[in-house]
Amino acid sequence: QKEVEQNSGPLSVPEGAIASLNCTYSDRGSQSFFWYRQYSGKSPELIMSIYSNGDKEDGRFTAQLNKASQYVSLLIRDSQPSDSATYLCAVNGNKLVFGAGTILRVKS
Amino acid sequence: DAEITQSPRHKITETGRQVTLACHQTWNHNNMFWYRQDLGHGLRLIHYSYGVQDTNKGEVSDGYSVSRSNTEDLPLTLESAASSQTSVYFCASSDWDSPLHFGNGTRLTVT
Repeated sequence: QKEVEQNSGPLSVPEGAIASLNCTYSDRGSQSFFWYRQYSGKSPELIMSIYSNGDKEDGRFTAQLNKASQYVSLLIRDSQPSDSATYLCAVNGNKLVFGAGTILRVKS
Repeated sequence: DAEITQSPRHKITETGRQVTLACHQTWNHNNMFWYRQDLGHGLRLIHYSYGVQDTNKGEVSDGYSVSRSNTEDLPLTLESAASSQTSVYFCASSDWDSPLHFGNGTRLTVT
């Protein structure tokens, strides 16, 4: 079992729809969770961090954390073609581990 | 503005040569990291440092070395480049338990 698992996708959504990206992790002691966006040929950039159970909203992005079920998700509302990228989930327990990423394609 | 700079952006080298990739950050972060990114594997940790004179091996450290002589720099050396080390390399830095800031990456091709 991988330490951090993401569906590789691609996840295709129409413009204006909600994109839902999911991530599960194996280390129950994990305390901090991050979502990075990576455009093709570019470096990852942080878009959300979450540290406690529940939802955290920032503009069109909402991160959701459920430690009991060991999953973290990212919702993107009103998806735009510019959101098309690979989304990396990162989980920090005794070390920071990245998932392999989910490719998101937003079609206009 | 603070930043993290990698050089070169692209490098082509031959098998067996020694290669050094530079990483310089002006965030004044204690923690610095080197990752490689390959299709299907995501980001894999090569080496990391929590401060000057501190270096640690990551999950894919074989064939790589680092040294930390000051806060700003963590160069990555490939002692004898192999084709399996063709990859995109990212340097990153952070403060304690804060998110990583990534450099722009170095695309290395070993022929």
